Amino acid sequence: QQQVKQSPQSLIVQKGGISIINCAYENTAFDYFPWYQQFPGKGPALLIAIRPDVSEKKEGRFTISFNKSAKQFSLHIMDSQPGDSATYFCAPYRDNAGNMLTFGGGTRLMVKP
Amino acid sequence: NAGVTQTPKFRVLKTGQSMTLLCAQDMNHEYMYWYRQDPGMGLRLIHYSVGEGTTAKGEVPDGYNVSRLKKQNFLLGLESAAPSQTSVYFCASRSNREGQGALGRANVLTFGAGSRLTVL
Repeated sequence: QQQVKQSPQSLIVQKGGISIINCAYENTAFDYFPWYQQFPGKGPALLIAIRPDVSEKKEGRFTISFNKSAKQFSLHIMDSQPGDSATYFCAPYRDNAGNMLTFGGGTRLMVKP
Repeated sequence: NAGVTQTPKFRVLKTGQSMTLLCAQDMNHEYMYWYRQDPGMGLRLIHYSVGEGTTAKGEVPDGYNVSRLKKQNFLLGLESAAPSQTSVYFCASRSNREGQGALGRANVLTFGAGSRLTVL
């Protein structure tokens, strides 16, 4: 069974600081590494994702760093804002494959003004 | 284009009652998933389907049944509700078409807005 471990469970950051969330996985067949963002009362939505052929991807203040040999990837939020306060999930999977798709346990981020 | 629609949004049941949650998607997606979300437990996969007429167990399938009689619909049933099934349920779907490789885009999950179920 696929295992995905996410850390930390919760994170408090001051406005303007850097938020870092980590995800470790076991299945080396994964070929897509997304982070989902969920606001209270809403379903999760894709935030940013990376393929294993690159080590880093940046979209605005959000960056994914990928370490294939360590089977880990992380989300970095630069200049964190109160509006970034949400729960973040990693959910690596095999694209174009119909199998179980499991999520990390989630990280609740609070950005203090 | 509605995406993924879940009904009902809220429901209160008594222990032992049965009910069905409906998930409908209009994106012609092959894969569909039911998750439950509990405080501090993240999203846990209940059942999933890789196509019309097929279903498979996820991480926490006990106490639930599913059916995928039509491609666009994925039903989650509780035959005899228990207080432990009090949760928020999310349906999600995604395509099985090959993703766009190095461009980074793939068949991402699209979620519904959730169904909050309380079992007394």
